[in-house]
Amino acid sequence: EVQLVESGGGLVQPGESLRLSCAASGFTFTDYWMSWVRQAPGKGLEWVANIKQDESEKNYVDSMKGRFTISRDNAKNSLYLQMNSLRVEDTAIYYCVRGGWCPDYWGQGTLVSVSS
Amino acid sequence: EIVMTQSPATLSVSPGERATLSCRASQSVGTSLAWYQQKPGQAPRLLIHGASTRATGFPARFSGGGSGTEFTLTISSLQSEDFAVYYCQQYSIWPRTFGQGTKVEVK
Repeated sequence: EVQLVESGGGLVQPGESLRLSCAASGFTFTDYWMSWVRQAPGKGLEWVANIKQDESEKNYVDSMKGRFTISRDNAKNSLYLQMNSLRVEDTAIYYCVRGGWCPDYWGQGTLVSVSS
Repeated sequence: EIVMTQSPATLSVSPGERATLSCRASQSVGTSLAWYQQKPGQAPRLLIHGASTRATGFPARFSGGGSGTEFTLTISSLQSEDFAVYYCQQYSIWPRTFGQGTKVEVK
C-alpha cells in the first residue's frame, strides 16, 4: 500500500524557516518524480515544486523560487521542503504527492501557519 | 502560466441526476489534463488523467472528455459519495496549474 506521511508543519512567525518531511513507503521511491502541492485554508490547490528521481531536475513556482528548496533522500525514501523567509500567504496545508505531472497518491498533508 | 478556469463554481444537483463540470485552459494543453475529487478534511484523489482515463477505484459513472482548451467531467448519476469539490489541472507545461474548483452539492 502506497503511503506518504508528512511531518514538520507548525506555527511560525513571518521571516522564519521550517522544514517539511515526507516519508514514503509501499512503492519504489526511486522510480518516481515527487512534488509538493499546497492548499491555503478554504482555498484551491497550488503546485509548489517537483523533483526528479536523481535530483537532477527541480522546478519551483515563481512565488516560491529562492525561498523554498525541494530535496530528497532516496536511501531514506524521503522527500523534503525547506521553507525560508516564510510569509503570511504561505499559510497552507502542504501535501507530499507522488509524481511530477498528475500525482496519483497524496499524503494527508501538514499544516503550516505563518502569523505574528 | 496557463490559467485554468472552472465553471460553475457551485453545482446543485439531486442524487441520481447527471452533473457536467467544465474546465477551460487559457492555451492548449492537448490532453494533459487531470481531474481530482476532494472531500472535506481529505486530500484530493486523482480521478481522471489524460483528459479521459479514469483512475483506479472510480466507477464508470465518471467520465472525462475534451482536448486543447475545453474539457468536461461528467458524473452520469450522482451518488451520495460524489458530493465533493472537483479540480482540474493541466500538466502540459510548468508550472502545473489547477482550476479554482467546482463544488458539487446536494440540491
